[in-house]
Amino acid sequence: EVQLVESGGGLVQSGGSLRLSCVTSGFTFNNYWMGWVRQSPGKGLEWVAYINQDGSGRYYLDSVKGRFTISRDTAKNSLYLQMNSLRAEDTAMYYCARGGSYLDALDIWGQGTMVTVSS
Amino acid sequence: DIQMTQSPSSVSASVGDRVTITCRASQGISAYLAWYQQRPGKAPNLLIYAASSLRSGVPSRFSGSGSGTDFTLTIRSLQPEDFATYYCQQGKSFPWTFGQGTKVEIK
Repeated sequence: EVQLVESGGGLVQSGGSLRLSCVTSGFTFNNYWMGWVRQSPGKGLEWVAYINQDGSGRYYLDSVKGRFTISRDTAKNSLYLQMNSLRAEDTAMYYCARGGSYLDALDIWGQGTMVTVSS
Repeated sequence: DIQMTQSPSSVSASVGDRVTITCRASQGISAYLAWYQQRPGKAPNLLIYAASSLRSGVPSRFSGSGSGTDFTLTIRSLQPEDFATYYCQQGKSFPWTFGQGTKVEIK
């Protein structure tokens, strides 16, 4: 079964850091690009970051550039999001998602991990 | 950045109704458009990719159309499990962007 399981969320003070992890299983990890999408409570979806299959291509939402870093570890079949200098507006459910089966669409999503930034 | 605007923001409908949701891009995106369904408390689920291609396993009552700047998602005969929020997403250029969502509610 194809599965993505996020962890690492929690409550952090403004200016703090968190590292989100997404462990994948059931598919060949290095064949797919990956991304992070977030959703603030009661709000819509917001794409955050993208990384290609070998990690050589990365793109970010403007508001997180310079603060967030997406990375992947093929040996551990895992995706990461290092989040520094966190702000209240980063409070959201963070989903990792897989892409590459259906062009630019995200076809498999994790259940999400909640990040709350207190000001 | 490419802005995606969905309409309506919400729609009330009954089981068996036909529902159409529109998504407009602020500039041409060819067919780099996907549609997702999100039920309360759950992760989004991909329905349509490349504007009009149905993802494997998605019921055929869902269909997508459009190219360039104007797109539609149609649910032909609404079922109880279709009451959810729907989002469009462009993949033409980074940063990828989503529409604000359309909530399909029970009338």
